[in-house]
Parts: sequence; C-alpha cells; structure tokens
Amino acid sequence: DVKVTQSSRYLVKRTGEKVFLECVQDMDHENMFWYRQDPGLGLRLIYFSYDVKMKEKGDIPEGYSVSREKKERFSLILESASTNQTSMYLCASTQSGGLGSNQPQHFGDGTRLSIL
Amino acid sequence: AQSVAQPEDQVNVAEGNPLTVKCTYSVSGNPYLFWYVQYPNRGLQFLLKYITGDNLVKGSYGFEAEFNKSQTSFHLKKPSALVSDSALYFCAVRDGDTDKLIFGTGTRLQVFP
Repeated sequence: DVKVTQSSRYLVKRTGEKVFLECVQDMDHENMFWYRQDPGLGLRLIYFSYDVKMKEKGDIPEGYSVSREKKERFSLILESASTNQTSMYLCASTQSGGLGSNQPQHFGDGTRLSIL
Repeated sequence: AQSVAQPEDQVNVAEGNPLTVKCTYSVSGNPYLFWYVQYPNRGLQFLLKYITGDNLVKGSYGFEAEFNKSQTSFHLKKPSALVSDSALYFCAVRDGDTDKLIFGTGTRLQVFP
C-alpha cells in the first residue's frame, strides 16, 4: 500500500514565524500535492509538483511556497505565518499523468496547524 | 466554470437502511469522477472512480456509485449502512481545462444504530 507520511499531526506556531510542513511518500510517485481543508470549503489546492525541483501554483498559493529537492519529499512553507492560515493541511501523491491522471490521489493523515 | 456540488451538508440514516450521498458536477469534456472518505483525524481515502464504461461503479467497503450523464450526477450509494460508515465523504471531478481535481465541500454521513 502507498504510504504518505506527514511529519506532524498537530502543530502550534506564532504569527510571523516561518513554518515548515513535511510530506514523504514511499511509492516513487512523480506527482505530489498540498491542500488545505477548511469546514464548508472542502479541499483547496495550494501547490503541486510533477517532478523534482518542479512546482506549480494551485488555487490559493498566496503566503505559501514549496520545495521538492527529492522525489519522495514535498515540503510546504509558510513564509510568515498568519492566523488565517490556521487550518488542516493535507499532502497527497499520485502516479504520473499530471493533475488530470485517472489514478486516485493518496493522502497523508494531515497536519492540523494552529497559528496564534 | 468547472464545479462539483454536494447539496447536503449532512445525511442521517439508520443502520441497515440504504444510503445515498449526492454529487452533481459541471465540467467540459468527459468527466473523471472520484469519491473519497475521511474518518476523524485522518486523511482522505479513495473509495471509487468513474473514468469510462459501465455507469455503475463498485468500490471499497461495499460502496457503489451511479454515473448519470444526463443529470450530471455521480451519487454514492450503499445497500445497507453500517455505523462504521459514519464519516465525511467528498466527491471530486477532474477539470478538463486545467486537469485539476475539484473537490466538493463534503457531506457528513451519520449512521445511527
């Protein structure tokens, strides 16, 4: 089975801090994604990556950046955390075929981030 | 604009009764449709997908979904609900223009003993 591991289940940070969320997958997937999940809004795509050192903006990239130095690892960075970034963050991966691949995305268990 | 709608925030059903969680979509081109389930404090788990072929798709845990092109719907169904099916369910559709996955806002299913 595909395993997508997010380094922290719960995280509390302060306004203005630089925050790193880490995600690792073990199935050699080319594509990796970061979403945030908020009640009543579903999942919204922040950034995605088709390959190492490649990244593309999703629907809500403002205030975020990403890093993909190795194929299995995709990091989400909050450059200067703000309270409106308090949310559940979900990482996902899938085989090649781009965002539109008919392969299902495999998700990690999420990181619940609180910005105080 | 491409979109997916889950018209019900919550669905309540008694254990043993059939359940339906509704999803409608709007995309250009042929739709690729997915259902995911999220249990408390967990990520999303893939249930089933429709790409092409038979309109009735069978998936994990006894769930199935019916693709209806004329009604642009992809409702999730199960003949006999279990208490353990209580969770948050998301419908998703591929946006044919951008290739992104568009998720619905989710439907909370509550199965009562």
